[in-house]
Amino acid sequence: NAGVTQTPKFQVLKTGQSMTLQCAQDMNHEYMSWYRQDPGMGLRLIHYSVGAGITDQGEVPNGYNVSRSTTEDFPLRLLSAAPSQTSVYFCASSHRLAGVYNEQFFGPGTRLTVL
Amino acid sequence: GNSVTQMEGPVTLSEEAFLTINCTYTATGYPSLFWYVQYPGEGLQLLLKATKADDKGSNKGFEATYRKETTSFHLEKGSVQVSDSAVYFCALSESLWNTGNQFYFGTGTSLTVIP
Repeated sequence: NAGVTQTPKFQVLKTGQSMTLQCAQDMNHEYMSWYRQDPGMGLRLIHYSVGAGITDQGEVPNGYNVSRSTTEDFPLRLLSAAPSQTSVYFCASSHRLAGVYNEQFFGPGTRLTVL
Repeated sequence: GNSVTQMEGPVTLSEEAFLTINCTYTATGYPSLFWYVQYPGEGLQLLLKATKADDKGSNKGFEATYRKETTSFHLEKGSVQVSDSAVYFCALSESLWNTGNQFYFGTGTSLTVIP
């Protein structure tokens, strides 16, 4: 199993550009999520999904879109990049055991810089 | 609402010193509790977990006990090594009937172990 994979590892954008951060998992996990990590602020949830066709907003969803057309993939779209979106982005997945989601499995991250 | 509070860092210890990183939580029900570790340039990895009160999670010499009476899940290690230098995150997971599962992370505690 590859686990959770993310591409690209690094990306530099100019203000106003759009792009998609890719995330895939091969563990057949129902739950997938996107976080951003900023210094001194820990992890903040952007969007999450509990299954194909189902997405919901997290703590900081503005400026980001997601979709979940398959169980495996959960791309994150930046519609019009802003310097405030400079961050490290992590994708994570989880599965349900006895009705409860257990630990999350994280990808290696994408380091995004917006100029 | 749910939240996780962990001691602020950075923490600097000498090799073989005793480590404690405090974590307290607020939850409406009966969450699962986790410690994750993040090494430089990498994603988060699960270090240990506990799913019910009085459970002790342990891994790689680290331990944490789920204390419902004090709503705490403090991380301890008896003798740290240089290789333990990393950022440590306390987290909780709670399954809610109306919003599905939610994960909450502390802000992270940076640990540096010096030889």
